[in-house]
Amino acid sequence: QLQLQESGPGLVEPSETLSLTCTVSGASISSSTYYWGWIRQPPGKGLEWIGSLFNIGTTFYSSSLKSRVLISVDTSENQLSLKLSSVTAADTAVDYCARHGIVVLPTPMSWFDPWGQGTLVTVSS
Amino acid sequence: SSELTQDPAVSVALGQTVRITCQGDSLRTSFASWYQQKPGQAPLLVINGKNNRPSGIPERFSGSSSGDTASLTIIGTQAEDEAVYYCNSRDRSGDQLVVFGGGTKLTVL
Repeated sequence: QLQLQESGPGLVEPSETLSLTCTVSGASISSSTYYWGWIRQPPGKGLEWIGSLFNIGTTFYSSSLKSRVLISVDTSENQLSLKLSSVTAADTAVDYCARHGIVVLPTPMSWFDPWGQGTLVTVSS
Repeated sequence: SSELTQDPAVSVALGQTVRITCQGDSLRTSFASWYQQKPGQAPLLVINGKNNRPSGIPERFSGSSSGDTASLTIIGTQAEDEAVYYCNSRDRSGDQLVVFGGGTKLTVL
């Protein structure tokens, strides 16, 4: 059974870099069938896609975050990582990792399943 | 980039049918996926593609689309269906791979 588990510091100081890890079990993160993505949710608000990685080296980022985001993979540990630089209080959120399915033809579609339980990252001094 | 618009809140009587909608330009050419999120929990995929229910999702959940609007329908709504429902799709503009709707809070009366 595929499971994802986020981990990382729960508190990050303003202007620093947020670093999270997602450990994947039950499937290889090197799979060429799926993407692997990060999604965040500020307290009491909706979901925001951060970015996704495909086949180890291909990444896609949210246009609003791409200047500050880096998503990478450690295949030896079967882990996905997220780095978000120059954080502010607006980056306080629950961060989720999820397997990301994408179909282009015949009709494009995108879905996230399953999700990790999420980890709350607070940006504060 | 495209946006997906959802009604902030919808209510339904126990056992009745409810439709939750998601509107956006990207839905003219892409299917929507739907997620259920209960308080303190991660989102759960309930519908993806044209009308695909992942294993374990009750048959009372179904999806449909017409023009720029996708719909999630729950027939015979149960108390445990009370949650926030989000839609998402590929972004038609191309530079933004994914877009989410703002979510609809479903209250079961």
